[in-house]
Amino acid sequence: SQQGEEDPQALSIQEGENATMNCSYKTSINNLQWYRQNSGRGLVHLILIRSNEREKHSGRLRVTLDTSKKSSSLLITASRAADTASYFCATDANGNNRLAFGKGNQVVVIP
Amino acid sequence: KAGVTQTPRYLIKTRGQQVTLSCSPISGHRSVSWYQQTPGQGLQFLFEYFSETQRNKGNFPGRFSGRQFSNSRSEMNVSTLELGDSALYLCASSLGPQGNFPEAFFGQGTRLTVV
Repeated sequence: SQQGEEDPQALSIQEGENATMNCSYKTSINNLQWYRQNSGRGLVHLILIRSNEREKHSGRLRVTLDTSKKSSSLLITASRAADTASYFCATDANGNNRLAFGKGNQVVVIP
Repeated sequence: KAGVTQTPRYLIKTRGQQVTLSCSPISGHRSVSWYQQTPGQGLQFLFEYFSETQRNKGNFPGRFSGRQFSNSRSEMNVSTLELGDSALYLCASSLGPQGNFPEAFFGQGTRLTVV
């Protein structure tokens, strides 16, 4: 079964707006990552947050992690058309030496 | 630095045939993992190789197998193809075992269609 599960709704936003998506997981983790995928191509690593971190920033990305609620959120600020993609969270599933992905959240940014 | 290279990019095979997919990791990366992506099941872990040894295996039938060579390149093989094997197969490389080096770098994938 999937460890990470994104909030299933698809997002359609205007360029310049912020996009927020959520991810929940079931077991304890050492870290959580977010990846982006464009049109069925390879995944691109965006950001990693460790279990002892609560928030992390990278450019226009902001990730939060709440281990008590077993959830994470990804915020993309000032979105651009190029941000149109599917976004996946992935956990290390309690150190099982594999990435467990959620089902993804599709974001469409309208120019 | 070249990224992860997967070949071929597209494949069409007939039920019952077998197929071999190839993955060349980023130079210096010694761990290679394989994932299957389908619309219904999403991204599912197949297996991980490190130093030519399979360290981890997902919940797939024995028709799915893989190996890693001394230069870290990896191949996966699917025998007796079924329609349900149609998917995007993604390879990811990392510096070392997933547990120690969680950040994975993915190739563009091989799109396999079984007819």
